[in-house]
Amino acid sequence: KQEVTQIPAALSVPEGENLVLNCSFTDSAIYNLQWFRQDPGKGLTSLLLIQSSQREQTSGRLNASLDKSSGRSTLYIAASQPGDSATYLCAGLNYGQNFVFGPGTRLSVLP
Amino acid sequence: DTAVSQTPKYLVTQMGNDKSIKCEQNLGHDTMYWYKQDSKKFLKIMFSYNNKELIINETVPNRFSPKSPDKAHLNLHINSLELGDSAVYFCASSPSGRLATNEKLFFGSGTQLSVL
Repeated sequence: KQEVTQIPAALSVPEGENLVLNCSFTDSAIYNLQWFRQDPGKGLTSLLLIQSSQREQTSGRLNASLDKSSGRSTLYIAASQPGDSATYLCAGLNYGQNFVFGPGTRLSVLP
Repeated sequence: DTAVSQTPKYLVTQMGNDKSIKCEQNLGHDTMYWYKQDSKKFLKIMFSYNNKELIINETVPNRFSPKSPDKAHLNLHINSLELGDSAVYFCASSPSGRLATNEKLFFGSGTQLSVL
């Protein structure tokens, strides 16, 4: 059974710092891995999708990597801004066509 | 225009009541989903429908009954509400449901259900 964990559970950084969020999954049999952003009172927004055959994806200041062999993914945020404050969730798509979500990392970027 | 909209946003009710949450998507997607986010913030799939047909039905009490009158709507009806049903329920949709083709999920803003 796929389980997804995320470390740290919460993170507070000053504006401008580069930071890394970590995601670990127990079963490497995944189709793809997605990183989502969740703002309070709102739904989830897909940020980056990495296919199982890929190692990384980039969008603006965000870079996500995937290492299936170790069951890990990281989300790198460069030059963080207060507007980046949100909860970030990773989710692996397993062969049952279900997304298995991690509990999220709550990020606060202080001005 | 909101792509995936669900109502109500907040729902407070007593144990034992029956309630419904409605979801509509205007994206023309074929597949819709219900997810539950519990107090520990884990999001778990409950149901998925493709073109009004039930595709995924996870281990959910049969007090929960999804209904899809057409592919743009997926409502969730809950009978005999219990304290443990308190959570945030998210509706989502995807173009075809073939998530392995790397299509994305589009989420509604959630319904916070509180059972007293």
